[in-house]
Amino acid sequence: SAVISQKPSRDICQRGTSLTIQCQVDSQVTMMFWYRQQPGQSLTLIATANQGSEATYESGFVIDKFPISRPNLTFSTLTVSNMSPEDSSIYLCSVKERERPYEQYFGPGTRLTVT
Amino acid sequence: AQSVAQPEDQVNVAEGNPLTVKCTYSVSGNPYLFWYVQYPNRGLQFLLKYITGDNLVKGSYGFEAEFNKSQTSFHLKKPSALVSDSALYFCAVRATGFQKLVFGTGTRLLVSP
Repeated sequence: SAVISQKPSRDICQRGTSLTIQCQVDSQVTMMFWYRQQPGQSLTLIATANQGSEATYESGFVIDKFPISRPNLTFSTLTVSNMSPEDSSIYLCSVKERERPYEQYFGPGTRLTVT
Repeated sequence: AQSVAQPEDQVNVAEGNPLTVKCTYSVSGNPYLFWYVQYPNRGLQFLLKYITGDNLVKGSYGFEAEFNKSQTSFHLKKPSALVSDSALYFCAVRATGFQKLVFGTGTRLLVSP
């Protein structure tokens, strides 16, 4: 399967600031997604990153808070804006490959702590 | 709406014994079902999937899962547990025609030596 890397792996940020998380894949993928895993919780889909167009957000998530870019088939960014302690979570990038159209593969995650 | 239930927060099993991690789902139409494992400070690793066909599917690391349509279940099993299997296991469902994966709350598996 594709190798997915995320930067940074973890960060501690101040309330009110923003953090951009990068997701890089070593091969072209058909779809890219961003998930959030709050402490002790399950995973929740934030949005689907669409190449060259606006991301598709799930209910409860908005572009102003979580702007997403996907300039090409191997790279995407998620920004967490105007952070509050409630944004402390693990953020995971996920991809679907053309060769394996059913399953999603996940990156190692970015552990964000907001103080 | 899709949903997944993992009724056990934690499953304890002795090494060498069989293990079962339970999962039930709710979805409109035919489901695509998945199991993932998460080790500490690591991302999710794909274990296995059910799309169609044989109800018993085999996956990585000796794990298997049985799809039961009448009981809307997809329990994860392994004949002989290893201490290294200790991790957090997530069941997930996707409805046909949709991309969104809906995850259960996770079950922590502890395998004792």
